[in-house]
Amino acid sequence: AQSVTQLGSHVSVSEGALVLLRCNYSSSVPPYLFWYVQYPNQGLQLLLKYTTGATLVKGINGFEAEFKKSETSFHLTKPSAHMSDAAEYFCAVSRGGTDSWGKFQFGAGTQVVVTP
Amino acid sequence: GAVVSQHPSWVICKSGTSVKIECRSLDFQATTMFWYRQFPKQSLMLMATSNEGSKATYEQGVEKDKFLINHASLTLSTLTVTSAHPEDSSFYICSAGPPGGDTQYFGPGTRLTVL
Repeated sequence: AQSVTQLGSHVSVSEGALVLLRCNYSSSVPPYLFWYVQYPNQGLQLLLKYTTGATLVKGINGFEAEFKKSETSFHLTKPSAHMSDAAEYFCAVSRGGTDSWGKFQFGAGTQVVVTP
Repeated sequence: GAVVSQHPSWVICKSGTSVKIECRSLDFQATTMFWYRQFPKQSLMLMATSNEGSKATYEQGVEKDKFLINHASLTLSTLTVTSAHPEDSSFYICSAGPPGGDTQYFGPGTRLTVL
């Protein structure tokens, strides 16, 4: 079984400050890990993903995340927040293999508010 | 990235009626698509897996007779909410990914409001 825990349902950051969103997962097999962003009344947009290879992955809009197997974490960071980063962020885990391909388990989400 | 569309983007219907939502993969073929629902201020919950040419598989607790899924072609899956009730009001999102890939692309979602 898989599960995803996002610490903090709401995060408030100042414009220009570091954005840090925490995600921990549990999985009995090597996971595929994703971060998605959702703007109000819209679908999900892929920010970045980790499947294999380099554990530090860079995504769009200046975001990056590091897969730490020992900590079962996949935290999302951005060095300098922009007003346009205000949105809901979801961490998700998927397993490879034919029986679970494409099925995502999502975290509860973290609402990011950016203050001037 | 790949593009997935949904139609309609929002729909309002009366209690007891049925509503059909379409999910299309625009630039790739998808033998499998997924349907999620999202209640306000909550996360996405997987409802069912839509399989082209065969029956859909539903997650535990999802009524298959209420949420009818048809995957008639490699680019189209439909979700029909039958005899809709106010508690079915939600945001429905589909996803699909190119075969052999590791990423799912999500549609823009459909907001269903049942009066």
